[in-house]
Amino acid sequence: AQSVAQPEDQVNVAEGNPLTVKCTYSVSGNPYLFWYVQYPNRGLQFLLKYITGDNLVKGSYGFEAEFNKSQTSFHLKKPSALVSDSALYFCAVRGQGGKLIFGQGTELSVKP
Amino acid sequence: DAGVIQSPRHEVTEMGQEVTLRCKPISGHDYLFWYRQTMMRGLELLIYFNNNVPIDDSGMPEDRFSAKMPNASFSTLKIQPSEPRDSAVYFCASSLVVSGGPWELFFGEGSRLTVL
Repeated sequence: AQSVAQPEDQVNVAEGNPLTVKCTYSVSGNPYLFWYVQYPNRGLQFLLKYITGDNLVKGSYGFEAEFNKSQTSFHLKKPSALVSDSALYFCAVRGQGGKLIFGQGTELSVKP
Repeated sequence: DAGVIQSPRHEVTEMGQEVTLRCKPISGHDYLFWYRQTMMRGLELLIYFNNNVPIDDSGMPEDRFSAKMPNASFSTLKIQPSEPRDSAVYFCASSLVVSGGPWELFFGEGSRLTVL
């Protein structure tokens, strides 16, 4: 069965520093991987996806993610964090029939 | 486009009452998903539809939950009777199949349900 794991419940970063939010996956076949962000009291918003091709995927708001097949990882990154990046981040994998299976989420806190 | 529209945004009800949550997907989208979010269980997929037909309802917790999609522009999630453990935020999301997708899901703002 397809699944993703987000090993960190919370990540704390100082503004201006690089950030990484970790995700590992378990799939049979080719992985289709996604990152979504959720701001307080809002629905989830799509950030980026990996389907095939370049291992470095660029997305919205300056975020990017690196697909690593050997480590079965799909970490979310940003070179310079903003306070406004503080939110809940979800990694997801596409399961059978097109449904998305989400990880437990990682709360990112960026301090000034 | 107005995005995915959910109503009500907040619902407080008493145990045993019927609850109906509503969703209007983005026009032209052919997939519709219902998710539930709680602190304990995270995001759970309850059911999803393709072209108004339920495809997978294996995530529906029990018979008290039912979902319908009578047409391409409207879906409901009903809980009857409701219980305190049903308290959660319920999200509706829609998507359009493009080149082997669906890929990007568009979420509504959610319906926060509190069952007393």
